[in-house]
Amino acid sequence: AQSVTQLDSHVSVSEGTPVLLRCNYSSSYSPSLFWYVQHPNKGLQLLLKYTSAATLVKGINGFEAEFKKSETSFHLTKPSAHMSDAAEYFCVVSDPGGYQKVTFGTGTKLQVIP
Amino acid sequence: EAGVAQSPRYKIIEKRQSVAFWCNPISGHATLYWYQQILGQGPKLLIQFQNNGVVDDSQLPKDRFSAERLKGVDSTLKIQPAKLEDSAVYLCATRGWENTIYFGEGSWLTVV
Repeated sequence: AQSVTQLDSHVSVSEGTPVLLRCNYSSSYSPSLFWYVQHPNKGLQLLLKYTSAATLVKGINGFEAEFKKSETSFHLTKPSAHMSDAAEYFCVVSDPGGYQKVTFGTGTKLQVIP
Repeated sequence: EAGVAQSPRYKIIEKRQSVAFWCNPISGHATLYWYQQILGQGPKLLIQFQNNGVVDDSQLPKDRFSAERLKGVDSTLKIQPAKLEDSAVYLCATRGWENTIYFGEGSWLTVV
């Protein structure tokens, strides 16, 4: 069985300060992990992905995430928040084998304060 | 490459009416998913196809929802009859290279 836990439902940061969105997972396989962003009334956009290559993954718009197997974590970070980063962020785990199940976290809403 | 195409983008229907959503996946992607996303919540898997076979439909309300994927390419999701609580975004997604999941823009359903 696999699961994803996003530890914060809401995160509020000031513009120009660092962003940290936390995600823990469990999986029976060596999973693929993703972060998606969803702006209001928009579809899901892939930010970055981990698929068993480098553990530090760089994505679009200055975001990055580090896969830590020992901590079963895949936290999303950005050094400096921008107003346009305000959105909902979803951590997703995908099992490459078996039934290729895809499981979403419950989401973290990021607020950026000017 | 072209993305996952969904239609219609927006639909408003009255309760007890029926509605159908269509998804055209990225060419060659064998695994296709339908998700339901209610406002303020994360997407919930309704059904997963591998080619034209159903892999997981455990969360599909089968008394009113149905889905098919004829010939293992396009897929349709139908709701009949619709209830107010079916108001949501219906997302189609496919699995591609490096297990990356690609999403369509979604079909926004409002049931009044």
